[in-house]
Amino acid sequence: NAGVTQTPKFQVLKTGQSMTLQCAQDMNHEYMSWYRQDPGMGLRLIHYSVGAGITDQGEVPNGYNVSRSTTEDFPLRLLSAAPSQTSVYFCASSTSFSGNTIYFGEGSWLTVV
Amino acid sequence: GQQVMQIPQYQHVQEGEDFTTYCNSSTTLSNIQWYKQRPGGHPVFLIQLVKSGEVKKQKRLTFQFGEAKKNSSLHITATQTTDVGTYFCAFRLTFGEGTQLTVNP
Repeated sequence: NAGVTQTPKFQVLKTGQSMTLQCAQDMNHEYMSWYRQDPGMGLRLIHYSVGAGITDQGEVPNGYNVSRSTTEDFPLRLLSAAPSQTSVYFCASSTSFSGNTIYFGEGSWLTVV
Repeated sequence: GQQVMQIPQYQHVQEGEDFTTYCNSSTTLSNIQWYKQRPGGHPVFLIQLVKSGEVKKQKRLTFQFGEAKKNSSLHITATQTTDVGTYFCAFRLTFGEGTQLTVNP
């Protein structure tokens, strides 16, 4: 099994550009989530989904959009990139909201110039 | 929302010294999880604690869950360079800020 797969691994964007970070999991997990990680800030939840067709905001949702059309895929869209969105982004999945292991993708390093 | 606070933010030790990171919540937790992230890597699950006062060991790592289920700790005995990384506690989808451990050989 591939687990959680994120693409691209590295991306440089210009301010104002839009892009989509792709995330796919092959573990049939209901829960998927996106985090951003900045130095000294830990992992902050951007958006999460409890199943296909259902998404909700996390701690830092502004500037990001998500959708969940299938169980497997959970793309993260940056609508108009800003330098403040320079970060490492992790996609994750789990079988439940609490009490089960969270599996992470390898991360996407995004730089906005 | 639910928050878990973690201290210290950074810890630098000499190889062979012990290390402890603490996780605290203002509310009772049904469980607490611990993750390790190596430099440049992604967080990887270490363990989950569920019971009040629970203590679990993984080789040199000892995990504790407080009696009131509001705090938890991770203790590493005799650190090695392979222990380098950031250790996170987590509850549901919320992660603590992490403790970044560096080990001087």
